Amino acid sequence: EAQVTQNPRYLITVTGKKLTVTCSQNMNHEYMSWYRQDPGLGLRQIYYSMNVEVTDKGDVPEGYKVSRKEKRNFPLILESPSPNQTSLYFCASSLMWTNTGELFFGEGSRLTVL
Amino acid sequence: GNSVTQMEGPVTLSEEAFLTINCTYTATGYPSLFWYVQYPGEGLQLLLKATKADDKGSNKGFEATYRKETTSFHLEKGSVQVSDSAVYFCALPVEGSQGNLIFGKGTKLSVKP
Repeated sequence: EAQVTQNPRYLITVTGKKLTVTCSQNMNHEYMSWYRQDPGLGLRQIYYSMNVEVTDKGDVPEGYKVSRKEKRNFPLILESPSPNQTSLYFCASSLMWTNTGELFFGEGSRLTVL
Repeated sequence: GNSVTQMEGPVTLSEEAFLTINCTYTATGYPSLFWYVQYPGEGLQLLLKATKADDKGSNKGFEATYRKETTSFHLEKGSVQVSDSAVYFCALPVEGSQGNLIFGKGTKLSVKP
């Protein structure tokens, strides 16, 4: 089954404790992206990647890191989480060159930073 | 650059009512336009799309027509069901970037039986 898998789905952590949210897709998509969703602010893009070893900042990259060492994986790293990073996070992927606009989303990771 | 504005919610309707969610855009040229839907507890999924002016996208009883004169892509459904309760997002590509989308802030729809 074609899917984007995120882990963990739910996480409560404390300020400053490094964490990684993993994202994996099995569709051989070149493009992958991370978004955060907050009430009243909609979806905001954190980082995106157009292919292996190619990443770029989105609208709200501060406090986050990403890497793209393999095509299927695009982990989101919070080196020193803060309470303002409490949010619902989504990973998404798509085929780059068809431009059909069909982004495939994971089910989301709800992060709480105390 | 490209941008999208959609009506604020929440929207509450009774079952079988008519639904319109407004979406307007600003864009260079005529990019593809999309509606995504997010059901409770799930990620977003593509609902419908239109790739050129005057195109009508449709799926699951929902429709949206790409109108370049009014730069709009309003979502409509003639008779909503409780199962349509979700958050709806209008979207278009970032200018000059394939695969990268800009999303509206989302409109939450609640349908009461």
